Amino acid sequence: NAGVTQTPKFQVLKTGQSMTLQCAQDMNHNSMYWYRQDPGMGLRLIYYSASEGTTDKGEVPNGYNVSRLNKREFSLRLESAAPSQTSVYFCASKPSWSTDTQYFGPGTRLTVL
Amino acid sequence: SQQGEEDPQALSIQEGENATMNCSYKTSINNLQWYRQNSGRGLVHLILIRSNEREKHSGRLRVTLDTSKKSSSLLITASRAADTASYFCATLFGNEKLTFGTGTRLTIIP
Repeated sequence: NAGVTQTPKFQVLKTGQSMTLQCAQDMNHNSMYWYRQDPGMGLRLIYYSASEGTTDKGEVPNGYNVSRLNKREFSLRLESAAPSQTSVYFCASKPSWSTDTQYFGPGTRLTVL
Repeated sequence: SQQGEEDPQALSIQEGENATMNCSYKTSINNLQWYRQNSGRGLVHLILIRSNEREKHSGRLRVTLDTSKKSSSLLITASRAADTASYFCATLFGNEKLTFGTGTRLTIIP
């Protein structure tokens, strides 16, 4: 099992450009999450999907959209990137029957110039 | 806003010593979890303690929880160089949303 995979690993954008961060998990998990991590801060939840077909806002959703394409894939889209969105983005997943462990991907380091 | 605050922000100890880091949080919780993050990597779950538990052990890890003080501590005994990482507490209220603290950066000096 690959676990949680994210693409790309690194990306540089110019202000105003758009892009989609991809996340996939092969563990048959129902719940998936997008976080951002900024220096000196913990992870902050952007959006999550408790099951296929549902999405909900987290703590910092402004400037982002998400799509739960199917049970495996959960993408994060920046429609018009801003320097404030420079961050490391992590995707995670969790079985719905558990309130325990979230499984994290390796992250995408995004720089917006 | 962050739910958890770790203390200290950074900690350096000699290999073989014990490392203790603390987490304080603000609201009621279902459980509290500790995660480790190696440099440039994703987070890895270490241990979970439920709100009705006071202490839990896993290998060299010992976690305590004091719900009256809204605080938790993580003790790593007999530290190793491989324990060098950032450690985050995360609290769960409800079924889906984990809220992470700001982390403790632990450095083990060989």
